[in-house]
Amino acid sequence: DADVTQTPRNRITKTGKRIMLECSQTKGHDRMYWYRQDPGLGLRLIYYSFDVKDINKGEISDGYSVSRQAQAKFSLSLESAIPNQTALYFCATSDFSAFGGNEQFFGPGTRLTVL
Amino acid sequence: KQEVTQIPAALSVPEGENLVLNCSFTDSAIYNLQWFRQDPGKGLTSLLLIQSSQREQTSGRLNASLDKSSGRSTLYIAASQPGDSATYLCAVQGGSEKLVFGKGTKLTVNP
Repeated sequence: DADVTQTPRNRITKTGKRIMLECSQTKGHDRMYWYRQDPGLGLRLIYYSFDVKDINKGEISDGYSVSRQAQAKFSLSLESAIPNQTALYFCATSDFSAFGGNEQFFGPGTRLTVL
Repeated sequence: KQEVTQIPAALSVPEGENLVLNCSFTDSAIYNLQWFRQDPGKGLTSLLLIQSSQREQTSGRLNASLDKSSGRSTLYIAASQPGDSATYLCAVQGGSEKLVFGKGTKLTVNP
């Protein structure tokens, strides 16, 4: 079984709808991240969480919210989806390192299309 | 603000050729640098992680080097195979633990 899973894998929705993307991990990592990938722009960080009570905005958090329900679960919500949120969304996890820096492990991605 | 650049954006080579992918970054204050592979429609697979104190890492036919002072890393792929065809992404991690990604190099290895 995959260590980092994302649901759904593909989603088509309409402008104005609320949508939630879910991420679960079995790696036992404290840190979880949400990124989006757009052609020509690369991956950009939306939100990240160092533990259940520590949630931080990333580079492009406007229009998104997150919930860290447990150490293993981190959800991304689009309260009112708009077409320019059409993208490939990735969840990632990492462990704490006393030396600073840590390897990140990515889920398979969710392809979201907003019509 | 950290910026990561990957050159070339695309590369096509015949099978068996040795090749080098380049990555440069503007701020040398990094914890580590990661190389990832991304296949179409799939997630990112971590290939190699180089800590800031290291000069290189090797895994099979892959060798990644890091010159932190000059802000450069290279990924060397030996004896390329069609199965190596993918997009290769470079990412650096700074003090905030956030990864900053390059836009990737799309590699095609022709049989």
